[in-house]
Amino acid sequence: GESVGLHLPTLSVQEGDNSIINCAYSNSASDYFIWYKQESGKGPQFIIDIRSNMDKRQGQRVTVLLNKTVKHLSLQIAATQPGDSAVYFCAETRQAGTALIFGKGTTLSVSS
Amino acid sequence: GAVVSQHPSRVICKSGTSVKIECRSLDFQATTMFWYRQFPKQSLMLMATSNEGSKATYEQGVEKDKFLINHASLTLSTLTVTSAHPEDSSFYICSARVGDMNTEAFFGQGTRLTVV
Repeated sequence: GESVGLHLPTLSVQEGDNSIINCAYSNSASDYFIWYKQESGKGPQFIIDIRSNMDKRQGQRVTVLLNKTVKHLSLQIAATQPGDSAVYFCAETRQAGTALIFGKGTTLSVSS
Repeated sequence: GAVVSQHPSRVICKSGTSVKIECRSLDFQATTMFWYRQFPKQSLMLMATSNEGSKATYEQGVEKDKFLINHASLTLSTLTVTSAHPEDSSFYICSARVGDMNTEAFFGQGTRLTVV
């Protein structure tokens, strides 16, 4: 079946470094993508989203890039902080009112 | 953003008993809510879509008689794990999307179910 995949299961960085988390999706019909952060024992927390008519979107310290040609999504975190340590999931959907489909997740570990 | 509240956050039950988990949208109406299940070190897997006033839609492989979903109002969906067994131990998370716009989903805090 179609799903949102993951390139790296874990990523370890030093505080202050920039982090890049990748995600591959297989459904070319997906038109809305979201990155979520999940801390242990909690529900996912929205980070940033992007629609298929865009290829880049910036937030505070975070940037999402979308490459529709190769069906690839990435999350860039600038000046990574220990508080950024968590599991990061990409999710995709095709239309309003439908469920999000999640990728496998990347564990980001930030050391001081 | 919109708030989704889930209760309880943790529950321990004996094998064979049933457990009810509540999911409420606190500041918006949700005609549709979604229930996910998450095992340790794994992603969120969609279990079912809860529809207000009608039957839930279950994903392939999810037993509808075991995971009973009720969505009786625009702000409340419940998931009942019936005759729970240790293999049902997991993290259950609900979510809802606001209105008819293709925007983010809001998630509850999750419920850690442990069946002993």
